[in-house]
Amino acid sequence: DAKTTQPNSMESNEEEPVHLPCNHSTISGTDYIHWYRQLPSQGPEYVIHGLTSNVNNRMASLAIAEDRKSSTLILHRATLRDAAVYYCILRDVQGQGAQKLVFGQGTRLTINP
Amino acid sequence: GAVVSQHPSRVICKSGTSVKIECRSLDFQATTMFWYRQFPKQSLMLMATSNEGSKATYEQGVEKDKFLINHASLTLSTLTVTSAHPEDSSFYICSARTGISNQPQHFGDGTRLSIL
Repeated sequence: DAKTTQPNSMESNEEEPVHLPCNHSTISGTDYIHWYRQLPSQGPEYVIHGLTSNVNNRMASLAIAEDRKSSTLILHRATLRDAAVYYCILRDVQGQGAQKLVFGQGTRLTINP
Repeated sequence: GAVVSQHPSRVICKSGTSVKIECRSLDFQATTMFWYRQFPKQSLMLMATSNEGSKATYEQGVEKDKFLINHASLTLSTLTVTSAHPEDSSFYICSARTGISNQPQHFGDGTRLSIL
């Protein structure tokens, strides 16, 4: 599975935007970029995913670099409920690995009131 | 949105007991289900992948005779931890997805297993 690199932790203030970076320099052409987050004592929650173009949904935006070797998850206006561990994961839609999500260490996001 | 229900949420039992954890997809047909384990302050570790009606595929280092997985229907998978010991204490999380390519996986809320 192609690897991703994320900062171990980040901190932001409530009601401010948050930009969570992810590097994936070995990404292949069939890898989708997925983001999940995990709140304490809960299972992960899907946030967003994309291939090449930037994506927006009600939770967040995903900005993907033109060479696809990095991406940024954007929370436009953080709330205390956004404090979680955020995982950036590459998932290949082809071959045996197509079905698996393999989690790295993620970024622990702290939101200050 | 898609919902995955996991039961029980917490189990405390004696060493040597076998424990069964259920995972249900409530509003979609889960062609594929996954089981993960998570130790404190660590990330999720994939244990196995199961397709409905087929034998599960276990990740390297996961004992298939220790962690029995059954995926008999499109909405239910079970994980049985056989003859559990204290080192099996962990947070077990199931996940499910449809057969449609590139759809997100949906996760249950996890089962905290404590073996005394």
